[in-house]
Amino acid sequence: DAGVIQSPRHEVTEMGQEVTLRCKPISGHNSLFWYRQTMMRGLELLIYFNNNVPIDDSGMPEDRFSAKMPNASFSTLKIQPSEPRDSAVYFCASGRRETQYFGPGTRLLVL
Amino acid sequence: GENVEQHPSTLSVQEGDSAVIKCTYSDSASNYFPWYKQELGKRPQLIIDIRSNVGEKKDQRIAVTLNKTAKHFSLHITETQPEDSAVYFCAASLDTGKLIFGQGTTLQVKP
Repeated sequence: DAGVIQSPRHEVTEMGQEVTLRCKPISGHNSLFWYRQTMMRGLELLIYFNNNVPIDDSGMPEDRFSAKMPNASFSTLKIQPSEPRDSAVYFCASGRRETQYFGPGTRLLVL
Repeated sequence: GENVEQHPSTLSVQEGDSAVIKCTYSDSASNYFPWYKQELGKRPQLIIDIRSNVGEKKDQRIAVTLNKTAKHFSLHITETQPEDSAVYFCAASLDTGKLIFGQGTTLQVKP
């Protein structure tokens, strides 16, 4: 049984460029979460979806960040334009009820 | 909103000793308390969880206890091994599915 799949696993880009992170949740899970992890701020919830509907986006840092979930098997997190302070590991997690399982993460470096 | 405090931030033990990590939460309505283990460069992995209708749960060398009155819960690892070295995160959740994470505890098990 495949776990949460994220792509790309690593991304290096220049400031000002658009970055798109992708996530495929575990089949049958109805919740999807996007997190950001840094040494300074720890693990932060950015946004989460229930049944493909955004429920809470209060953690999205600013308008440069957007997330979509067009169907139950795919979600994207987009940063446009990217800035060096966006450098972090971005995790996607999926779950049923409260239990969440994390993907391997995307390590983003913005130069 | 919910707030989760985790202590200690770092913990060093000798192989074979026990390790205890404690978390407190602020919202008495929280009813689900998972623990995640994150090895260096890896994803957070769910290792054990407890719901508010249970006071203690064990799984081999790990156990979690919950004191609803005091609003705190703890992770206990017995007979620690070097492979237990990692960062451990506690979290709390209401029925919404949104997890609020503690700041993490870096556990080092010395051979």
